[in-house]
Amino acid sequence: GEDVEQSLFLSVREGDSSVINCTYTDSSSTYLYWYKQEPGAGLQLLTYIFSNMDMKQDQRLTVLLNKKDKHLSLRIADTQTGDSAIYFCAESSNDYKLSFGAGTTVTVRA
Amino acid sequence: DGGITQSPKYLFRKEGQNVTLSCEQNLNHDAMYWYRQDPGQGLRLIYYSQIVNDFQKGDIAEGYSVSREKKESFPLTVTSAQKNPTAFYLCASSPIGVEQDGYTFGSGTRLTVV
Repeated sequence: GEDVEQSLFLSVREGDSSVINCTYTDSSSTYLYWYKQEPGAGLQLLTYIFSNMDMKQDQRLTVLLNKKDKHLSLRIADTQTGDSAIYFCAESSNDYKLSFGAGTTVTVRA
Repeated sequence: DGGITQSPKYLFRKEGQNVTLSCEQNLNHDAMYWYRQDPGQGLRLIYYSQIVNDFQKGDIAEGYSVSREKKESFPLTVTSAQKNPTAFYLCASSPIGVEQDGYTFGSGTRLTVV
């Protein structure tokens, strides 16, 4: 995960938007991903974005990609208590392996 | 339903013992991976395999061993040489070349040294 950096914690009020940020280093990454991990569980793929896209929207999720700055963000609209989890950013490499960030723990407060 | 299954969910190991964690997938994926997760450190790659009978060391392979005798199975052995094995272990699989699918993860095994 050293090549992918994320802030470790985010606290957000229920109903507000959450924005989780990530920076990556491999400019040749074809795909970038966001995964969600609930307590005691494995990782679940939330969404991905192809490297030639700037934005992808999927219901409450919006992914923004700035290739020049190697910056990726995930916005969750109308954050709910069920969104409390650890969110991982990941980038693909030429040998099909993924590099993961350390994860951002999102806490939703009432 | 296709998926990836890890067992057991919880495992306790005495000092000096080897233990084996199971990972089985029926997704017909070529590649399989083992990660270790510690609080605040994200996922660290232990071993991976992209084809049967072949596997590669990841970033923290010392004290671990794997085998890939079947496409569906990629067991991880935590040996007595691993000095700090208490962690959450995650297995994942993926097709090769279909990048938008990313990885599919199992539900994890929590290993505790007692």
